[in-house]
Amino acid sequence: AQKITQTQPGMFVQEKEAVTLDCTYDTSDQSYGLFWYKQPSSGEMIFLIYQGSYDEQNATEGRYSLNFQKARKSANLVISASQLGDSAMYFCAMRWYSSASKIIFGSGTRLSIRP
Amino acid sequence: NAGVTQTPKFQVLKTGQSMTLQCAQDMNHNSMYWYRQDPGMGLRLIYYSASEGTTDKGEVPNGYNVSRLNKREFSLRLESAAPSQTSVYFCASREQGSYEQYFGPGTRLTVT
Repeated sequence: AQKITQTQPGMFVQEKEAVTLDCTYDTSDQSYGLFWYKQPSSGEMIFLIYQGSYDEQNATEGRYSLNFQKARKSANLVISASQLGDSAMYFCAMRWYSSASKIIFGSGTRLSIRP
Repeated sequence: NAGVTQTPKFQVLKTGQSMTLQCAQDMNHNSMYWYRQDPGMGLRLIYYSASEGTTDKGEVPNGYNVSRLNKREFSLRLESAAPSQTSVYFCASREQGSYEQYFGPGTRLTVT
């Protein structure tokens, strides 16, 4: 069965430091995609970054990068130079192509940035 | 464009009552989703619809029914609400071939 695991319920980081949020997944499919979403205290879901299982390079979007290690089944989110506005819940999600429309989420990590 | 809209924003039900949560998207997306978010649990997939006329169960479908009324609308029905269904419900949509889901603002449901 497909499963997403985020083992860090909460993290505190000093402003301007880099932070890595962990995500591991379990699937027997060869074709799948991995996502990260941000949920601020206001509640909306904000898409951050996507990585396909066949993408040769790690995805990057501005200060966000995805450290994709396929053999280890991990897809960690790296935020460089953290800002106070990065304080939020962060969710890892997965979609697999044998069930192309189904997307499931991990339990999330609450990131708090200290000034 | 309004994106994904959900009604109502808040609802309080008594145990055993029924209600329908409405979701509509104006982006002409094929796929639509219903999730619930409990505190500390992340989002769990209830049902999804890959295209108009199809629906499939997600991770936690028990106690819910859905209807894909047309391409725009995807409703979620609670036939007999239970306190365990107290949660925030999110609707989302996605264009075929795209990976990004667009989420609605959520419905906060309390069952007493």
